[in-house]
Amino acid sequence: NAGVTQTPKFQVLKTGQSMTLQCAQDMNHNSMYWYRQDPGMGLRLIYYSASEGTTDKGEVPNGYNVSRLNKREFSLRLESAAPSQTSVYFCASSPARSWEETQYFGPGTRLLVL
Amino acid sequence: QKEVEQNSGPLSVPEGAIASLNCTYSDRGSQSFFWYRQYSGKSPELIMFIYSNGDKEDGRFTAQLNKASQYVSLLIRDSQPSDSATYLCAAVGGSQGNLIFGKGTKLSVKP
Repeated sequence: NAGVTQTPKFQVLKTGQSMTLQCAQDMNHNSMYWYRQDPGMGLRLIYYSASEGTTDKGEVPNGYNVSRLNKREFSLRLESAAPSQTSVYFCASSPARSWEETQYFGPGTRLLVL
Repeated sequence: QKEVEQNSGPLSVPEGAIASLNCTYSDRGSQSFFWYRQYSGKSPELIMFIYSNGDKEDGRFTAQLNKASQYVSLLIRDSQPSDSATYLCAAVGGSQGNLIFGKGTKLSVKP
C-alpha cells in the first residue's frame, strides 16, 4: 500500500514549457486535491476532484488544468510555465467528498521555472 | 478573505517541556479544524482534528477549540526532539468550503 504517489520528484522547466504532474492513490479514495506550497504562503488549493469524473477550481487555479483520469489518478498540467509557478506541489486524497475528511498527502513535486 | 493565522515562530522549547501552538481563524462559520505536522522537505501528515468546543486528547497531543474566540491550539506534552517540525493549522471554510491552511509554526525542541 503506497498511499499517494507523485511523479516527478523534482523538475526544472524553462519559461513557456509545458509539463504534467502525475498523482496516483491506492487507497480507493473518492476525492483528490492539488495544492501548492510557497515560502511564507502556506498550502493553497489549486484544483480538486470530489469524485471520479468531476473537477473544480480551488483558490489559485489560473495557469493550471487538471484531469481526473480514473478513480486512482489525478494529473495537474502547466500549459505554459511561468517563474511564478516555481513551488512545491502536493497531491492529496481523502475517502469521501466531505471537507471534514482527513486528507493524505503525497511526497510532493519540487518545480523550478527559470 | 477567510484566513487562518499562526505565529510563524520559531518556537523553541526544552526537551520534556510543554509546547503550545496557537491558531486563530476569521470564518465564524468554520466547524472543523485540523493540525498537520510537516518535517522539513516532507509532506504534511495529520496529527489531530477537532470539531467540538473543548479539549481532545491523543497521547501526548491535546487540541483545544474555542469557537466563541475563534481560537484553536495544540499542546504537546513531554516534547521530544523528534517533535521538531512545522505545525500547520487548517480550518474548513474556504470559498468552496475547502480547507484553509495557516502558514505554519516552526517548533524546535532542544535536547
